[in-house]
Amino acid sequence: AQSVTQLGSHVSVSEGALVLLRCNYSSSVPPYLFWYVQYPNQGLQLLLKYTSAATLVKGINGFEAEFKKSETSFHLTKPSAHMSDAAEYFCAVNERSGGGADGLTFGKGTHLIIQP
Amino acid sequence: GAGVSQSPRYKVAKRGQDVALRCDPISGHVSLFWYQQALGQGPEFLTYFQNEAQLDKSGLPSDRFFAERPEGSVSTLKIQRTQQEDSAVYLCASSLWGRTGDQKQYFGPGTRLTVT
Repeated sequence: AQSVTQLGSHVSVSEGALVLLRCNYSSSVPPYLFWYVQYPNQGLQLLLKYTSAATLVKGINGFEAEFKKSETSFHLTKPSAHMSDAAEYFCAVNERSGGGADGLTFGKGTHLIIQP
Repeated sequence: GAGVSQSPRYKVAKRGQDVALRCDPISGHVSLFWYQQALGQGPEFLTYFQNEAQLDKSGLPSDRFFAERPEGSVSTLKIQRTQQEDSAVYLCASSLWGRTGDQKQYFGPGTRLTVT
């Protein structure tokens, strides 16, 4: 069975500061990992995904995430926060084909607040 | 081209009523997913279609929930005899290929169902 834990339902940072959103996963087989962002009244948008090609994954809008197998983590970072980054962020896991579920398993989400 | 669209965007139903929620995936996408997102939670997987075949319905919470995709494009999620606990945002997503866990899913804006 697969699961995702996102530490911190709300994270507040100042504009220009480092953004760090934490995600830990559990999976019985090597996982695919995703970060999605949800703006109000919009559908979820993919920020980035890990598929084993490289442990450091770069995504859109300056975000990146590092897969650490030993820590079962996939934390999302951005060096300098912008006001437009304020949104809900979801970490998700899917097991590799042939053994896992078809749908994504999401964490509960982290609401990112940017202070001016 | 156009993204995933869902209708209606908002639905209010009295307890016991039946509702039907529509999803128009991106044209040509093989895979279609339905998720349920309760307030303050991450999306939870309901069911998965590959073309017209419903390959996974493990997430449907009860036999009051039924989904179909008869021609392999538009999908309808039907909820019979709605209950208050069915109140949630119902998300539809599509992806280009079938059944590989590393795919990007494209999400619609969701239908917010409120059962009174």
